[in-house]
Amino acid sequence: GENVEQHPSTLSVQEGDSAVIKCTYSDSASNYFPWYKQELGKRPQLIIDIRSNVGEKKDQRIAVTLNKTAKHFSLHITETQPEDSAVYFCAASRNTGRRALTFGSGTRLQVQP
Amino acid sequence: NAGVTQTPKFQVLKTGQSMTLQCAQDMNHNSMYWYRQDPGMGLRLIYYSASEGTTDKGEVPNGYNVSRLNKREFSLRLESAAPSQTSVYFCASSDSNEQFFGPGTRLTVL
Repeated sequence: GENVEQHPSTLSVQEGDSAVIKCTYSDSASNYFPWYKQELGKRPQLIIDIRSNVGEKKDQRIAVTLNKTAKHFSLHITETQPEDSAVYFCAASRNTGRRALTFGSGTRLQVQP
Repeated sequence: NAGVTQTPKFQVLKTGQSMTLQCAQDMNHNSMYWYRQDPGMGLRLIYYSASEGTTDKGEVPNGYNVSRLNKREFSLRLESAAPSQTSVYFCASSDSNEQFFGPGTRLTVL
């Protein structure tokens, strides 16, 4: 089955700096890669996703890059703000058949004001 | 439009007790999922249902059963709860790749 590894487990940045979180996956058939943000005691919320026919996707201060050859993808947050503090999860799934997500172990991001 | 709802929000059980976690979605999605989240870990798939009338095991199915009652509802049952099942349980639904999560049920087994 799929295995997703995520690094780092914790990340502390100063407000205004950039943050980068990296994930690798093992199943070459995976072709959907979402990122979720989870605040304490809340449900995971989708913040951005990318499909394998695209190398990069941006949404305001958030971007995701995908290297399918190397089987890794990354989340980039620019101009970080205190409200970006949360746990971020990457995940991977196939586009057909079993579409259940396999999650990474999470990155706790702290943005220091 | 409530999205995905779960009941109860919190539950405390004693070892050996049984209970059913309820999940419902009003987005007319075909697929529904049950995940558990343990401290310091990502969500792990327990069971999923690709469509009404079908269910399949995920990564950690032992100790659980599920029922896809209809298109809207997908329940998770613990027949004989164990302390190792202390976790936060999330239900999700989807009609493509994007999954929408419920608010979660925090379960403690003593």
